[in-house]
Amino acid sequence: GAVVSQHPSRVICKSGTSVKIECRSLDFQATTMFWYRQFPKQSLMLMATSNEGSKATYEQGVEKDKFLINHASLTLSTLTVASAHPEDSSFYICSARIRSSDQPQHFGDGTRLSIL
Amino acid sequence: DAKTTQPPSMDCAEGRAANLPCNHSTISGNEYVYWYRQIHSQGPQYIIHGLKNNETNEMASLIITEDRKSSTLILPHATLRDTAVYYCIVRAVYNNNDMRFGAGTRLTVKP
Repeated sequence: GAVVSQHPSRVICKSGTSVKIECRSLDFQATTMFWYRQFPKQSLMLMATSNEGSKATYEQGVEKDKFLINHASLTLSTLTVASAHPEDSSFYICSARIRSSDQPQHFGDGTRLSIL
Repeated sequence: DAKTTQPPSMDCAEGRAANLPCNHSTISGNEYVYWYRQIHSQGPQYIIHGLKNNETNEMASLIITEDRKSSTLILPHATLRDTAVYYCIVRAVYNNNDMRFGAGTRLTVKP
């Protein structure tokens, strides 16, 4: 089945550091990628949607200058948490799918981000 | 996309069938029903999806009522590894909508 690879799986860093998370679709071309955030004991919340070659669309309340998304190719999207602070600590999950298709979105295994 | 309603939690005995219900009474004709599950500290795993016919794969069966207002995910022989949060999501496919997650059902399989 379709595989989405997310890296790194865990990051621990100091406050003020910028952190980059990569999301790759390994065996299909992902015209659309999604970034979610999940806090403990809560469901996934969509942060932004990105289409290859265009700017990401952010959900209300998500700061685009803090969560920088780049979807430069059909197999790679990156999320950069700029100048991360402890409140940015969370589980970040990417997802990818083929546009306008009934095929399901496939999810990466997530990145656990801990800001000290 | 239509909203879904699921029970917050369910228990199932190991080896028995787990039947997880989902209500989607406002579903429209072009919306599919998708099921995912999330095991602790992992990304959601796709299980199955369907439009109006019942579907079966190696993981589960999906039963959709004739009026499409509800569905049931069936895990035929639940194992301890099936303990997870199960999400039912309705989405129209011929647009660019993402998957929106509700609270899901926490299934606990007990020995």
